[in-house]
Amino acid sequence: KAGVTQTPRYLIKTRGQQVTLSCSPISGHRSVSWYQQTPGQGLQFLFEYFSETQRNKGNFPGRFSGRQFSNSRSEMNVSTLELGDSALYLCASSFDTYQGLAFFGQGTRLTVV
Amino acid sequence: ILNVEQSPQSLHVQEGDSTNFTCSFPSSNFYALHWYRWETAKSPEALFVMTLNGDEKKKGRISATLNTKEGYSYLYIKGSQPEDSATYLCAFNDMRFGAGTRLTVKP
Repeated sequence: KAGVTQTPRYLIKTRGQQVTLSCSPISGHRSVSWYQQTPGQGLQFLFEYFSETQRNKGNFPGRFSGRQFSNSRSEMNVSTLELGDSALYLCASSFDTYQGLAFFGQGTRLTVV
Repeated sequence: ILNVEQSPQSLHVQEGDSTNFTCSFPSSNFYALHWYRWETAKSPEALFVMTLNGDEKKKGRISATLNTKEGYSYLYIKGSQPEDSATYLCAFNDMRFGAGTRLTVKP
């Protein structure tokens, strides 16, 4: 059974640009959650998608957005990148966040210069 | 408690010691409490998900208990080993994480 796949693994962008990150969940999983991890910080919750609908959202500015497709794959977009957006972005998939174990991808390391 | 809080922030123990950490969470609108183990340079690994008050889960030397009425969960590690060194995270409901407890087990 394939795990959670995040692409790309590493990314370097310039301030002001936008970026799209992808997360392919485990087959059969309908929930995808996104997190940001910066040095010294824990996992900061961005948002969760379930069956193509955003079910929960963390306290991030509107520059951070996401979506989920009918095959449960999810994308996260960050517009007008700032230096502070440099972080490890992790996604986690589960059958249902409220009930089952969630499995994390390897993450995308985004560096904004 | 409005957010997920974990204590202690860090813990240093000797190999063979048993240890435990605490996760506190809002006691209202509870659905699930998750525990994860996060080793450096790896992705968080799921340990347990608990949904019912009084739930107890065990995986090898690691176990967890849940009290939803008072809003806390304990994670226990029996006979700590150096390979147990990691950050242990708990997450409430929709996977809002605490800051974690960083465990270091010295040989």
